[in-house]
Amino acid sequence: DQQVKQNSPSLSVQEGRISILNCDYTNSMFDYFLWYKKYPAEGPTFLISISSIKDKNEDGRFTVFLNKSAKHLSLHIVPSQPGDSAVYFCAASAIYGGSQGNLIFGKGTKLSVKP
Amino acid sequence: EPEVTQTPSHQVTQMGQEVILRCVPISNHLYFYWYRQILGQKVEFLVSFYNNEISEKSEIFDDQFSVERPDGSNFTLKIRSTKLEDSAMYFCASSLPPRQTKNTEAFFGQGTRLTVV
Repeated sequence: DQQVKQNSPSLSVQEGRISILNCDYTNSMFDYFLWYKKYPAEGPTFLISISSIKDKNEDGRFTVFLNKSAKHLSLHIVPSQPGDSAVYFCAASAIYGGSQGNLIFGKGTKLSVKP
Repeated sequence: EPEVTQTPSHQVTQMGQEVILRCVPISNHLYFYWYRQILGQKVEFLVSFYNNEISEKSEIFDDQFSVERPDGSNFTLKIRSTKLEDSAMYFCASSLPPRQTKNTEAFFGQGTRLTVV
């Protein structure tokens, strides 16, 4: 069972445009959501997070939106840069629901930003 | 900048052999994790460890797996009798305690590529 779903395995965007990466979840106990970026042969790198008490969190070019009723979150990157090309993982955790914080990952979306 | 380090970067082992993957978490972190990623698949949670005991484990983490924090700095994952399907990238991660800090993201190491032949 996939508790965290990233339905788009890949996304191609022109440099300077907006990249929108989507993620859906099924477990209503999840209360903390994170985006990680991963380059080949490296471990995932934390990008941005949002707790369930918020619907938006912004950090520079990166904004995460959370729609709890739809169990959907998205990561917006604007403007996109070639260096953003990587695999982006959505992850969720039930921190306040009793979990010790282990992350459930989606399968990832490979973003390619073309110059 | 503090980082999680993992050794070795690549381990090749024969089926049935025991392997130990090593990790040095970030020094002030208290929660430690192992994840794995089979080639082409998603990153999967294996186990979390806090206060010298397992906090949570997934169904992947069966009796063939064990974790240990032998000396207060290293965090190890042992696979007792490796199988072909254990071939994967294994990531160690560490974090500050959830619920006690705003920043509860886990920091990952570079991974150990385990190849079972």
